[in-house]
Amino acid sequence: DTAVSQTPKYLVTQMGNDKSIKCEQNLGHDTMYWYKQDSKKFLKIMFSYNNKELIINETVPNRFSPKSPDKAHLNLHINSLELGDSAVYFCASSPTRDQPQHFGDGTRLSIL
Amino acid sequence: AQSVTQPDIHITVSEGASLELRCNYSYGATPYLFWYVQSPGQGLQLLLKYFSGDTLVQGIKGFEAEFKRSQSSFNLRKPSVHWSDAAEYFCAVAPSGNTPLVFGKGTRLSVIA
Repeated sequence: DTAVSQTPKYLVTQMGNDKSIKCEQNLGHDTMYWYKQDSKKFLKIMFSYNNKELIINETVPNRFSPKSPDKAHLNLHINSLELGDSAVYFCASSPTRDQPQHFGDGTRLSIL
Repeated sequence: AQSVTQPDIHITVSEGASLELRCNYSYGATPYLFWYVQSPGQGLQLLLKYFSGDTLVQGIKGFEAEFKRSQSSFNLRKPSVHWSDAAEYFCAVAPSGNTPLVFGKGTRLSVIA
């Protein structure tokens, strides 16, 4: 069974469109995260939720809006996509905020 | 500024040779320290972690890492590399348990026969 699953795995779309990436974890963890990995493999935290509440919101354009309907899901919605949004987006979860994180396989977003 | 540095962008080793990947951090207190591995097209997998206690920690796949406070380092080692170890390796640091992970820029490991 996949512990942290993201859909879709690949997403190709045009500039200006709105898209969502879904993330689900079946580990019973309280904390979930979104990371962005750029073309140089650099990983940066975007958001973190603990029990459905936003606890970390790094400097991310407000076109990015995370939503956590329950503690097993953390979806990422992106409005008005731009070329610079092309990256791999990783979802992760951890039992609590101070425990190691488990990562999904990533969603590769390509903007045309 | 607080940071995590992996000085080596790319390392190539022969199969069966030993490996050491370097990681240095710049935080005042002892942070939480992690090593993750990323295979092509995959997410990150935790190799090992250090929170406190014994400064030599054992991880999965035969990896170990040593925390050296005096050098602000947490280097990853493996005595004998296998071809399947070829991947990207990330050092990560959390200044405290409730702060987000800060990743180094990664070291790509290539293994040759």
